[in-house]
Amino acid sequence: NAGVTQTPKFRVLKTGQSMTLLCAQDMNHEYMYWYRQDPGMGLRLIHYSVGEGTTAKGEVPDGYNVSRLKKQNFLLGLESAAPSQTSVYFCASRAGTEAFFGQGTRLTVV
Amino acid sequence: AQSVAQPEDQVNVAEGNPLTVKCTYSVSGNPYLFWYVQYPNRGLQFLLKYITGDNLVKGSYGFEAEFNKSQTSFHLKKPSALVSDSALYFCAVRAPMDSSYKLIFGSGTRLLVRP
Repeated sequence: NAGVTQTPKFRVLKTGQSMTLLCAQDMNHEYMYWYRQDPGMGLRLIHYSVGEGTTAKGEVPDGYNVSRLKKQNFLLGLESAAPSQTSVYFCASRAGTEAFFGQGTRLTVV
Repeated sequence: AQSVAQPEDQVNVAEGNPLTVKCTYSVSGNPYLFWYVQYPNRGLQFLLKYITGDNLVKGSYGFEAEFNKSQTSFHLKKPSALVSDSALYFCAVRAPMDSSYKLIFGSGTRLLVRP
């Protein structure tokens, strides 16, 4: 049972490039989340989804888009990357009261 | 607005000594409270949670936490620290009436257990 899997694990982008981060979960969870982790700031919610075909904005949504076309996948897109988006990105899915996190994607924008 | 405060950036403790990592929260209604641990280059791992019931909750790896409603605190504790407990610890809260079920995290506390 893989749990929550994030792809890729590392990426370096140039300013203005675009990319998509993939989160896949095999636990049939309805709720999925994208967070970013920055030093001294904990994890901040970017976007979330309460089910297939739905998305909603979190605390820091600017510069990001998401899609949930399939229940098991939650994609996070950066259309035009900026240095301020250098961060570690975590995906999570929820069952009951517990959230399960992926291993993270370390993104550097130069 | 919901918020979580972890007042200490780092906690240092000697192996074998008790440890406490502090967390206070602000949320409307009765909170759902969580502790997660993050080891280097890893994702977050669930340690324990408080939903209702006994104020002292026990979790993984010998950790426990005490819910104190009057002080709005949920401090993480362990009677005897291990070097392998060294990691980054996050406290999180969820408001019971929040339909998104999202977690609000504190800024994290780095625990360093010296041999």
